Amino acid sequence: QKEVEQDPGPLSVPEGAIVSLNCTYSNSAFQYFMWYRQYSRKGPELLMYTYSSGNKEDGRFTAQVDKSSKYISLFIRDSQPSDSATYLCAMDTNTGNQFYFGTGTSLTVIP
Amino acid sequence: EAGVAQSPRYKIIEKRQSVAFWCNPISGHATLYWYQQILGQGPKLLIQFQNNGVVDDSQLPKDRFSAERLKGVDSTLKIQPAKLEDSAVYLCASSLGYSRGDQETQYFGPGTRLLVL
Repeated sequence: QKEVEQDPGPLSVPEGAIVSLNCTYSNSAFQYFMWYRQYSRKGPELLMYTYSSGNKEDGRFTAQVDKSSKYISLFIRDSQPSDSATYLCAMDTNTGNQFYFGTGTSLTVIP
Repeated sequence: EAGVAQSPRYKIIEKRQSVAFWCNPISGHATLYWYQQILGQGPKLLIQFQNNGVVDDSQLPKDRFSAERLKGVDSTLKIQPAKLEDSAVYLCASSLGYSRGDQETQYFGPGTRLLVL
């Protein structure tokens, strides 16, 4: 079983839709949860970073962590064509020194 | 603020040849990471440096891969000899430090796309 599972998609939505991206994980020691956005032929860029459980909001983006279910989500409100990219979740432990990335979900927002 | 610089951007080699990638992190960033991203997969950490010391190289195939960061600034990753399965994007990232919070905020370069024929 992989440490982090992520549906690769592709996911295609109309502009203005609410997008939900998800990852599940198996390691209960994960405490840090990140979402990265990767445009084609670019390196990933950090979108959101959450410690332990709960929600975090930043503009149109909301990250949720449910440690009891080992499930994290990223919601994008009022999606824009510029949101079209691959979204990668990543996780880390308190004592670890490496990220475990999901495989990424490819998102296309259609104008 | 200048980002993480990598070169070359693209490289095509034949199997059994050697190749080297270069990375210059963001100024002042103590921690540097090399990742391998195979098409359709998430990045996999190969090696992590704190200044010029290796923190983690547990997933680096040491029989063919080597990396160094001699002066604690820029870094090179070498593959010798290359195999077909090494075809991937090699990403370099840096973070300000090694503490919790710093590590979670990594800044990635554009990557080097390697194709091994």
